[in-house]
Amino acid sequence: EAQVTQNPRYLITVTGKKLTVTCSQNMNHEYMSWYRQDPGLGLRQIYYSMNVEVTDKGDVPEGYKVSRKEKRNFPLILESPSPNQTSLYFCASSRTGGFIYEQYFGPGTRLTVT
Amino acid sequence: RKEVEQDPGPFNVPEGATVAFNCTYSNSASQSFFWYRQDCRKEPKLLMSVYSSGNEDGRFTAQLNRASQYISLLIRDSKLSDSATYLCVVTTGTASKLTFGTGTRLQVTL
Repeated sequence: EAQVTQNPRYLITVTGKKLTVTCSQNMNHEYMSWYRQDPGLGLRQIYYSMNVEVTDKGDVPEGYKVSRKEKRNFPLILESPSPNQTSLYFCASSRTGGFIYEQYFGPGTRLTVT
Repeated sequence: RKEVEQDPGPFNVPEGATVAFNCTYSNSASQSFFWYRQDCRKEPKLLMSVYSSGNEDGRFTAQLNRASQYISLLIRDSKLSDSATYLCVVTTGTASKLTFGTGTRLQVTL
């Protein structure tokens, strides 16, 4: 089954404790992206990757890191989480061909930073 | 001005009604346009792409007006299962950057 998986689905952590949210897709998609969704603000892009070893900042990259060492994986790293990073996070992937096709989203990770 | 703007609603309509949403975008160089559907606390899923000539998929019709910089979604014969938030998505700047509207909430009632 074609899918994007994220882990963990729910996470409660404390300020400053490094964490990683994993994202994996099995569709051989070149493009992967991370979003956060907050009430009233919609989905905002954090980072995206056009292919292995190619990443770029989205609209709200501060406080986040990403890496793309393999095509299927695109982990999101919070080196020192803060309460304003409490949010619902989605990973997405799509094929590309000069422009972005349909994005497939993971089920989301609900993060709470206390 | 926001890059992509939508009326947040909610739009409360009876079953069988026709309802339309608009979405305006600010960048005239925007290239691709989509409507996504998001159920409460779930991941967004593609409803339909929006083509320059307009396109239809069953009860759903999408239109693009480049001159006025808006896209629209028309839902005919609304079903209870259409209740969801509808997200407008536009590629802005480089084709790899997507911008989402904040969504329009639709509630279909008996």
